[in-house]
Amino acid sequence: NAGVTQTPKFQVLKTGQSMTLQCAQDMNHNSMYWYRQDPGMGLRLIYYSASEGTTDKGEVPNGYNVSRLNKREFSLRLESAAPSQTSVYFCASSVFRSGNTIYFGEGSWLTVV
Amino acid sequence: GENVEQHPSTLSVQEGDSAVIKCTYSDSASNYFPWYKQELGKRPQLIIDIRSNVGEKKDQRIAVTLNKTAKHFSLHITETQPEDSAVYFCAASKGAGNMLTFGGGTRLMVKP
Repeated sequence: NAGVTQTPKFQVLKTGQSMTLQCAQDMNHNSMYWYRQDPGMGLRLIYYSASEGTTDKGEVPNGYNVSRLNKREFSLRLESAAPSQTSVYFCASSVFRSGNTIYFGEGSWLTVV
Repeated sequence: GENVEQHPSTLSVQEGDSAVIKCTYSDSASNYFPWYKQELGKRPQLIIDIRSNVGEKKDQRIAVTLNKTAKHFSLHITETQPEDSAVYFCAASKGAGNMLTFGGGTRLMVKP
């Protein structure tokens, strides 16, 4: 049982390049989330998927798109990376109807130069 | 929507002392309050949570208290150790089917 796994762990992009962060969970959770965490800062919600087939914007969605591919997988895409998107990205999941305990992946460190 | 404020933003204690981190929330309908610990370079991990039907919960050296009337909850760490050094996040939600709102985090430093 791996929990929440995300790839890649580290990535350097040039401004304007695109990339997709992949996330998968094996806990049979309904809800999945993407957060970003800037150095010394808190967690800010980018997008979430309450259940398979639905996605909604969070606090900071601009510059990102998401896809809930199936119940296990939730990807985050940066279409045209900007230096302001340099951050650590965490994927997370939770059982939709059970207290909202969120389990995080290990994080993806993204640098845009 | 819900707003969660967390204080202090940084806290430095001597090893063996106690540490207290406080959070206030705005939505009186919130009923689930977890605490996460994030070590440097690691993911946030749940360390303890409390629901609004109880006022206090303990797990070894950590405890959480909840005051529903005042809309605040606190994390208490006793006999602090260097490995307690981390960033701690509180959060609140209205329970099943609702989103968690995180506080801004507290950086705890335990000096040996």
